[in-house]
Amino acid sequence: QKEVEQDPGPLSVPEGAIVSLNCTYSNSAFQYFMWYRQYSRKGPELLMYTYSSGNKEDGRFTAQVDKSSKYISLFIRDSQPSDSATYLCAMSGETSGSRLTFGEGTQLTVNP
Amino acid sequence: NAGVTQTPKFQVLKTGQSMTLQCAQDMNHNSMYWYRQDPGMGLRLIYYSASEGTTDKGEVPNGYNVSRLNKREFSLRLESAAPSQTSVYFCASRERGERTYNEQFFGPGTRLTVL
Repeated sequence: QKEVEQDPGPLSVPEGAIVSLNCTYSNSAFQYFMWYRQYSRKGPELLMYTYSSGNKEDGRFTAQVDKSSKYISLFIRDSQPSDSATYLCAMSGETSGSRLTFGEGTQLTVNP
Repeated sequence: NAGVTQTPKFQVLKTGQSMTLQCAQDMNHNSMYWYRQDPGMGLRLIYYSASEGTTDKGEVPNGYNVSRLNKREFSLRLESAAPSQTSVYFCASRERGERTYNEQFFGPGTRLTVL
């Protein structure tokens, strides 16, 4: 079983919709939770990160972490066609030597 | 600043051929990484280098070797390519610090096909 599970989609929504992307994980040592965005034929780029449990908001994007359920979410409000990309969750432990463990990625298309 | 650059962008090999993927970063980062990305598997770590002069195996190191040539450059070598190594390869770097959330910066990727 994978340490990080993420529904690969594809997910298709109309412009303006609220998008919910999720990951579950099994390793209780994970403390840092990140969302990367990857446009087609490009490398991933960091979108947001959260430490431990709680919420973090950045413009139209909100990241949530529920460590008790081992579940993280990324919400996109007022989605735009430019949000069409693959979204990867990533996690790591506490120490500086910890490596990132990635989810498979969810492919999102926002239709005009 | 170019960030993380990778060469080549595309490559087709025959089974048994060898090649080296090149990666360079101009951000003065200490740590560098090589990943492969496959459908249904996500990004998997092949090798990483926490600092100049050190390299360590990641999740899927078999069939690969790496060299941290200097602080800027980190190469990945396939000695005898196999069809199972058909993938998109990404190099990444980050500034090593106390907090592991330090952003990893990714290159544009190398698309490798092994026939």
